[in-house]
Amino acid sequence: DAKTTQPNSMESNEEEPVHLPCNHSTISGTDYIHWYRQLPSQGPEYVIHGLTSNVNNRMASLAIAEDRKSSTLILHRATLRDAAVYYCIPPERWDNYGQNFVFGPGTRLSVLP
Amino acid sequence: DVKVTQSSRYLVKRTGEKVFLECVQDMDHENMFWYRQDPGLGLRLIYFSYDVKMKEKGDIPEGYSVSREKKERFSLILESASTNQTSMYLCASRVTLGTAFYGYTFGSGTRLTVV
Repeated sequence: DAKTTQPNSMESNEEEPVHLPCNHSTISGTDYIHWYRQLPSQGPEYVIHGLTSNVNNRMASLAIAEDRKSSTLILHRATLRDAAVYYCIPPERWDNYGQNFVFGPGTRLSVLP
Repeated sequence: DVKVTQSSRYLVKRTGEKVFLECVQDMDHENMFWYRQDPGLGLRLIYFSYDVKMKEKGDIPEGYSVSREKKERFSLILESASTNQTSMYLCASRVTLGTAFYGYTFGSGTRLTVV
């Protein structure tokens, strides 16, 4: 099972890029890396996921290290609405039907105007 | 888009009451989950269900039970509510293994206060 570590909190200024790191040194070769975020008073929502190569979508980019032991979620221009807790989730558990996500404390991102 | 709807956003119950938290999803997902979220503890899995009438204990099932009579509905039951069950409760559904992306979709949560 993979274990993840993320900084407890980070701060960014509005309109600036944000790089949220995650270490998952024991990840296996076939496990996807998922990122979710939780806005205040909401349930977690999907942000992005990837396996080996970098991934982009309308919300963010995901940069995955070549050895896959770490990844970085990139918000290209942070807005006040991006203030949330960001969870990095490589698979820590699998059950017979799929990936059983384990949500750690995540990184609380504050965005300053 | 998949939608997961939790019946109540806020709920206040008395100690000893039987409490039902309802969750409905509209995308025919087999798997559904109940988590609770407390400050500093992240999300903790209470129960999950692979399919209708199936249930599995998560990490903290004590004091809870669940019901899955229909595929779209997964209910969390607090048999006798206690103050230490005051928490945010989150329901989620998931596509099953064998599809390309097996991510979770969460509801907005029910904040339960037991007094």
